[in-house]
Amino acid sequence: AQKVTQAQTEISVVEKEDVTLDCVYETRDTTYYLFWYKQPPSGELVFLIRRNSFDEQNEISGRYSWNFQKSTSSFNFTITASQVVDSAVYFCALSEATNNFNKFYFGSGTKLNVKP
Amino acid sequence: EAQVTQNPRYLITVTGKKLTVTCSQNMNHEYMSWYRQDPGLGLRQIYYSMNVEVTDKGDVPEGYKVSRKEKRNFPLILESPSPNQTSLYFCASRREETQYFGPGTRLLVL
Repeated sequence: AQKVTQAQTEISVVEKEDVTLDCVYETRDTTYYLFWYKQPPSGELVFLIRRNSFDEQNEISGRYSWNFQKSTSSFNFTITASQVVDSAVYFCALSEATNNFNKFYFGSGTKLNVKP
Repeated sequence: EAQVTQNPRYLITVTGKKLTVTCSQNMNHEYMSWYRQDPGLGLRQIYYSMNVEVTDKGDVPEGYKVSRKEKRNFPLILESPSPNQTSLYFCASRREETQYFGPGTRLLVL
């Protein structure tokens, strides 16, 4: 079974729209980390955020916000007032204490197209 | 500048011809890892290394070898590449549970 599921393969929005990227994870550990990475068309992987399993506070960074809900095993990512530069593939990832955080599980990614 | 570097960035080869993709980091990180990225599958971990001379398999290690003789370097070796190893490869090193990635190596095996 997939440990990290990103059900949205591709999303298209018009600039200035808000968009939420979904991430659902599966783990039996009580201690784990969740991550979001951005992969712009240039191909590099850019770290966006890390959240540990004991910190359910939502986080906001500029136009980006993250909603972590252990009850639904979700770690969703919202971009407010999207811009063309937000066009990228976004990956959610999980690492677990069981293997000392040495194994890293990625979702299949969501491609976001922001049109002007 | 703190970074992870990979070489080559692009490589076209033929089936069975041994190749090595190098990875180097200048951040003195103990942990390094290799991933492959394929459409619809995200990134999958090939091998990781917790420190010099300590390596372990990820989820898709078949057909790959690694070595960690020095802290800064973690080469990925394909002894006999096959077309199903055509992929985009990323090396990463880790600080405080967060992995930082190299620029990627695009490999085509004919």
